[in-house]
Amino acid sequence: QKEVEQDPGPLSVPEGAIVSLNCTYSNSAFQYFMWYRQYSRKGPELLMYTYSSGNKEDGRFTAQVDKSSKYISLFIRDSQPSDSATYLCAWDHTGANSKLTFGKGITLSVRP
Amino acid sequence: DGGITQSPKYLFRKEGQNVTLSCEQNLNHDAMYWYRQDPGQGLRLIYYSQIVNDFQKGDIAEGYSVSREKKESFPLTVTSAQKNPTAFYLCASTAPGLPNTEAFFGQGTRLTVV
Repeated sequence: QKEVEQDPGPLSVPEGAIVSLNCTYSNSAFQYFMWYRQYSRKGPELLMYTYSSGNKEDGRFTAQVDKSSKYISLFIRDSQPSDSATYLCAWDHTGANSKLTFGKGITLSVRP
Repeated sequence: DGGITQSPKYLFRKEGQNVTLSCEQNLNHDAMYWYRQDPGQGLRLIYYSQIVNDFQKGDIAEGYSVSREKKESFPLTVTSAQKNPTAFYLCASTAPGLPNTEAFFGQGTRLTVV
């Protein structure tokens, strides 16, 4: 079983839609959960970070973590064309050989 | 401005040649990483280094080599042993301490075998 699985894409939605992006993971050692956003031909940038189960909001973005189900989600409210990008979930732990692990990414297109 | 600089932005390689991708950071970060990105594959870790003069293989290290002689620099060599090197390569660094929650990425190098 792969350590990280991300819902396949691409995803196309109309402007103003609510978007839900999802990842599952298998390694119980993962403790810290992140979402990165990558615009075309650019390097990824950190969008949100959380370490506890529950929801964390930042403007139109909400990160949700369910450690018991090993499931994380990113919700985007009132989606805008500027949200069109690839979204990558990522994990890390504080044990030996700590390193960031990424999902495959999902490409989102928001239509005006 | 602090950041990570990758060069060149585009690189063309003939089959059988070794090429070296440059990655320099002035963020004073200890850890540096090289990822490969292919369509539909996400970021796959090639090598990472937590400290100068030390580095570890990632998930897809075969056909690649690195060095970490200086804190600021982490060059990646794509050798002729890498059978399918055409890809987008990303270098990243993270600040000291754990967890590695925020990685700072360069703008990438797109390597094409011709």
